[in-house]
Amino acid sequence: AAGVIQSPRHLIKEKRETATLKCYPIPRHDTVYWYQQGPGQDPQFLISFYEKMQSDKGSIPDRFSAQQFSDYHSELNMSSLELGDSALYFCASSAPGLAGAETQYFGPGTRLLVL
Amino acid sequence: DAKTTQPPSMDCAEGRAANLPCNHSTISGNEYVYWYRQIHSQGPQYIIHGLKNNETNEMASLIITEDRKSSTLILPHATLRDTAVYYCIVRDNAGNMLTFGGGTRLMVKP
Repeated sequence: AAGVIQSPRHLIKEKRETATLKCYPIPRHDTVYWYQQGPGQDPQFLISFYEKMQSDKGSIPDRFSAQQFSDYHSELNMSSLELGDSALYFCASSAPGLAGAETQYFGPGTRLLVL
Repeated sequence: DAKTTQPPSMDCAEGRAANLPCNHSTISGNEYVYWYRQIHSQGPQYIIHGLKNNETNEMASLIITEDRKSSTLILPHATLRDTAVYYCIVRDNAGNMLTFGGGTRLMVKP
């Protein structure tokens, strides 16, 4: 079965640079979620999109922005990168379903290292 | 989301059943119980979810108490590949996010 695709899988950037992470949801999934997992920490919700509109916002820094496109893929744009942004970034997607019961399926993640 | 409490770690012998408990005493009527696991640095993997009734799929069984204040995830025959952090998450229909907290680090030993 098709899974969530994330690219790139690994990314190395310098401080103050920008980065763009991409997420391709499972076919026919209309909602995309972004999570950040720092070293030794649990995943933390950043932001989600439903039908190309932002649906929820978590602890996403102002330096980060995201959008969902007409083909439902999503991009997380990160500017003025800081050392503390080094983390795993996961994208998840879900299909339309009962509110509260839309199962999220996660991608393999992008490992970002900021030097 | 309602807060959940899980033991930080558990051991299980290979081939035996692994029973992972979760307390969610503040759960409300429209909140689902979800279980995910994360094998070292991989994306969280969905296991199972339920509202009131017990659920079973090819991976595991979920037993929810009648008062819904606790649940148990059962892996019937644990293998070494089941070694992971298991997260119990209570999710309502008001928000989209999953709130991961702590989890149980399950170590399956030969």
